[in-house]
Amino acid sequence: GAVVSQHPSRVICKSGTSVKIECRSLDFQATTMFWYRQFPKKSLMLMATSNEGSKATYEQGVEKDKFLINHASLTLSTLTVTSAHPEDSSFYICSAEQGAGETQYFGPGTRLLVL
Amino acid sequence: QKEVEQNSGPLSVPEGAIASLNCTYSDRVSQSFFWYRQYSGKSPELIMSIYSNGDKEDGRFTAQLNKASQYVSLLIRDSQPSDSATYLCAVNGVDSNYQLIWGAGTKLIIKP
Repeated sequence: GAVVSQHPSRVICKSGTSVKIECRSLDFQATTMFWYRQFPKKSLMLMATSNEGSKATYEQGVEKDKFLINHASLTLSTLTVTSAHPEDSSFYICSAEQGAGETQYFGPGTRLLVL
Repeated sequence: QKEVEQNSGPLSVPEGAIASLNCTYSDRVSQSFFWYRQYSGKSPELIMSIYSNGDKEDGRFTAQLNKASQYVSLLIRDSQPSDSATYLCAVNGVDSNYQLIWGAGTKLIIKP
């Protein structure tokens, strides 16, 4: 149980385009989903916390207009990287939890490369 | 600012030995404690969760929690080369609005 999927697993796009990443909890309802970014050999960095039916809470320094988050249902959250630039190239990982303070389960991640 | 500290390593341990990973945290009212393992290029996967003082064992893994001293550790018995990874400690509680506070991770290398 507690499986989280992400799609796509890998994406290459041209600079200036937008990329949507989906995160799904497959066998449980996630009240909260989290979006992380990780650069090579660096720590996980929380980008935003997403609660179903409400606006996402962004961490300091993360542009909400550039990284659009939609948590449309208890099993789906999407992250859209708008007008992507090469510096946005990174490993994007989502996680989901059933309830506040409960275990976070991670998706397999999406590797984004912006040319 | 609430913090979780881990030695970045690398921690090198011979195969078959016990690997000991440590984590300290600053928020005294933290309630939940997690160890995740992350292989290079992969996302984190949960190893253990622990919520009360003492030891919790799961196979070759033992998590130890000491709230008075504000540390949590992970022991890996009979270490295998496949245990080589980065181990992330995460802590949350009411004061952090249940948001996980992450350590930077300890890189563990098991030498055959």
